[in-house]
Amino acid sequence: DAKTTQPTSMDCAEGRAANLPCNHSTISGNEYVYWYRQIHSQGPQYIIHGLKNNETNEMASLIITEDRKSSTLILPHATLRDTAVYYCIVKGFGNEKLTFGTGTRLTIIP
Amino acid sequence: DARVTQTPRHKVTEMGQEVTMRCQPILGHNTVFWYRQTMMQGLELLAYFRNRAPLDDSGMPKDRFSAEMPDATLATLKIQPSEPRDSAVYFCASGGTASAGEKLFFGSGTQLSVL
Repeated sequence: DAKTTQPTSMDCAEGRAANLPCNHSTISGNEYVYWYRQIHSQGPQYIIHGLKNNETNEMASLIITEDRKSSTLILPHATLRDTAVYYCIVKGFGNEKLTFGTGTRLTIIP
Repeated sequence: DARVTQTPRHKVTEMGQEVTMRCQPILGHNTVFWYRQTMMQGLELLAYFRNRAPLDDSGMPKDRFSAEMPDATLATLKIQPSEPRDSAVYFCASGGTASAGEKLFFGSGTQLSVL
């Protein structure tokens, strides 16, 4: 699976959009971008995934660049409960193993 | 909501003792994963099963760790003998069905402290 690079930490004001970047320049054509988050003392939680089109669900939006070498997870109206470590993971569809990196620690500021 | 259940939530034991952690995957899920999380190493995949058969346990120290699925509703991770370096949070996750899509669902973890 391709390697990803994320900033170590980010802050965002409550109520604002949180934009979390991820670089995955070695992604191959059949690999998807997944986002999970881990709130303190809990197990990781699935957020969203996509291949090349932008995706949106009730939790977030995922914007993938046209060359697929980077993506951005957007939390449209961040709340204090969104404070967590966010993991960007690249893996092939049907490859069941998730390999976690170090993620981005997002802190929502009141 | 269906969820992955792990027991115990916390375990404190002495070095050399056997530790057994249990996981009840979401009903109908056919893949089960065991992860370990420490501050130094982050989240590491230890082993995973599909349809109760072990597929990959390359991340697991073989001399003291063992993982099994006695039936579709129970996965176990055993450490014998335990060592202080095994202190970590151990997560179980399940997935792998059409309804789960490509999502993994994680339990709340077992926090293990080996003294």
